[in-house]
Amino acid sequence: NAGVTQTPKFQVLKTGQSMTLQCAQDMNHEYMSWYRQDPGMGLRLIHYSVGAGITDQGEVPNGYNVSRSTTEDFPLRLLSAAPSQTSVYFCASVGGSEPGLYGYTFGSGTRLTVV
Amino acid sequence: AQSVTQLGSHVSVSEGALVLLRCNYSSSVPPYLFWYVQYPNQGLQLLLKYTSAATLVKGINGFEAEFKKSETSFHLTKPSAHMSDAAEYFCAVSLYNFNKFYFGSGTKLNVKP
Repeated sequence: NAGVTQTPKFQVLKTGQSMTLQCAQDMNHEYMSWYRQDPGMGLRLIHYSVGAGITDQGEVPNGYNVSRSTTEDFPLRLLSAAPSQTSVYFCASVGGSEPGLYGYTFGSGTRLTVV
Repeated sequence: AQSVTQLGSHVSVSEGALVLLRCNYSSSVPPYLFWYVQYPNQGLQLLLKYTSAATLVKGINGFEAEFKKSETSFHLTKPSAHMSDAAEYFCAVSLYNFNKFYFGSGTKLNVKP
């Protein structure tokens, strides 16, 4: 049981480059989210999805784009990387008819550095 | 708006001592509450959760937390710290039939030999 798989684990980008962080889950969870983690700020929600074809913005969506074409995959796109996007990115998913009742399952993270 | 406050970004205890990590929440309705643990260079792992059953919740690795509605608190405790407990701990809240989770800023626990 793989759970939530994120790739790559590490990435260095130059300012202005674009890239996609991949996230896949094999638990048939409807709800998926992307968070960024920065020192002293906890986890901040970037975008989330309540099912295939449905996405919405979180607290810090600027500079990021998402889509959800399948239940399993929820990629996060950086449109034009900036040093302020240097962070650790976590993908998480949760299932059930009452998702707030359950805790998220987290991926192992992608450590992104923008130079 | 919902918020989660963790008092103390760093907590240091001696091995064998009591661990107490504080979490307070603000919510207009009764929430669901969670504690997560993050070991270095890893993702977050669910430690325990409160979902309106017993107010004292037991989790993995000997941790427990008590929901106190009157104090809007959900503090995490462990009677005797082990070196392996050194990690960062996050408190989180979600609401009934709502899929967003709100996280506190985290508390790093250091365990001294």
